[in-house]
Amino acid sequence: GGIITQTPKFLIGQEGQKLTLKCQQNFNHDTMYWYRQDSGKGLRLIYYSITENDLQKGDLSEGYDASREKKSSFSLTVTSAQKNEMAVFLCASSTGTGGNTLYFGEGSRLIVV
Amino acid sequence: QQKVQQSPESLIVPEGGMASLNCTFSDRNSQYFWWYRQHSGEGPKALMSIFSNGDKKEGRFTAHLNKASLYVSLHIKDSQPSDSALYFCAPSYQGGRALIFGTGTTVSVSP
Repeated sequence: GGIITQTPKFLIGQEGQKLTLKCQQNFNHDTMYWYRQDSGKGLRLIYYSITENDLQKGDLSEGYDASREKKSSFSLTVTSAQKNEMAVFLCASSTGTGGNTLYFGEGSRLIVV
Repeated sequence: QQKVQQSPESLIVPEGGMASLNCTFSDRNSQYFWWYRQHSGEGPKALMSIFSNGDKKEGRFTAHLNKASLYVSLHIKDSQPSDSALYFCAPSYQGGRALIFGTGTTVSVSP
């Protein structure tokens, strides 16, 4: 088995600040994802990456940057934190897209003060 | 652009009872239909998937798929307190883009 590790578990920043979330996986999966979950509701796709150095935008990519410098890690940057985007950010990985199972981390909660 | 709607938004089921969750999707190219479950404070975990029209049973969980009606459902028999969670459906297709999740149904099993 493998594991997805997200850091930090809680990220506290000020409005307008640039903040970065990190994700590591040891499944040796090709594809990695970032989703945002507001108040225990549905998951919305921010970015995904099908291989190292690849980036694909999701429906919620505006206001975020992502980076996949190596196969095992995927980072997400909030370019200018706003109070209305306080949420839980979930990282996931899979062997591919389409019919493959996604494995999720436990999430990172963003708090903007 | 795939649209995925789930109903009801929340559901209270007595312990030992049956929970029924519904999901409609918009993309007729969808081939695989996943159900994910998320317990409080955790990330979602894959529960089961269904690819063919009809029913698929895995233990106490039965998924039903009707592609022509753009509809998939999940039924939980003999509900247990550990089934209390947020449930998502997620249709996809081979070679498709990343998984798009539904709006979610919160199931609460009352002892």
